Amino acid sequence: ILNVEQSPQSLHVQEGDSTNFTCSFPSSNFYALHWYRWETAKSPEALFVMTLNGDEKKKGRISATLNTKEGYSYLYIKGSQPEDSATYLCAPLLNTGKLIFGQGTTLQVKP
Amino acid sequence: DVKVTQSSRYLVKRTGEKVFLECVQDMDHENMFWYRQDPGLGLRLIYFSYDVKMKEKGDIPEGYSVSREKKERFSLILESASTNQTSMYLCASSSSGQDFYEQYFGPGTRLTVT
Repeated sequence: ILNVEQSPQSLHVQEGDSTNFTCSFPSSNFYALHWYRWETAKSPEALFVMTLNGDEKKKGRISATLNTKEGYSYLYIKGSQPEDSATYLCAPLLNTGKLIFGQGTTLQVKP
Repeated sequence: DVKVTQSSRYLVKRTGEKVFLECVQDMDHENMFWYRQDPGLGLRLIYFSYDVKMKEKGDIPEGYSVSREKKERFSLILESASTNQTSMYLCASSSSGQDFYEQYFGPGTRLTVT
């Protein structure tokens, strides 16, 4: 089983702080890297799908980078807002179409 | 918009009962998945299906079975519910080849087995 590690497990920041999380995974055997955002009482939603080494994606204040050679991805949130509070999940995609999810990083942004 | 619906948001069942969790998607997706989510463990894959009447075991299939008689519907069955199956269950679907298999999730069913 592919082992996907996310750190930190949880994070509490003040509104306006910038923050980042890490997703680590074995550097082979995957086809793409997905990031999902899961707000309380809602369904997980896709943030980014990344495929190439050095790939960078951005959506508003949230961005992500991918290093396939060393097996990690970073998610950055610039100027965190309370509405950014959620659990952020990363998931390598195997060539079988299966996603292997990390345990997630839970972010709490205090106003 | 893709919509994935699950039959119940909350469910309470007794030990030994047979439990059916239903999932329906409306985007003609080939692939469907059942996960469970437990604190500190992330989403773990129970079963998945690439096509009608096809099923594959995920990482934790023990105590579960599935049924996919129609493309839009994927059912998770707990043959004899046990307390260690108390969990949040999420269904998801994806299209083969599009958006690198981006998965669309249902709202989840929180199952409590007493």
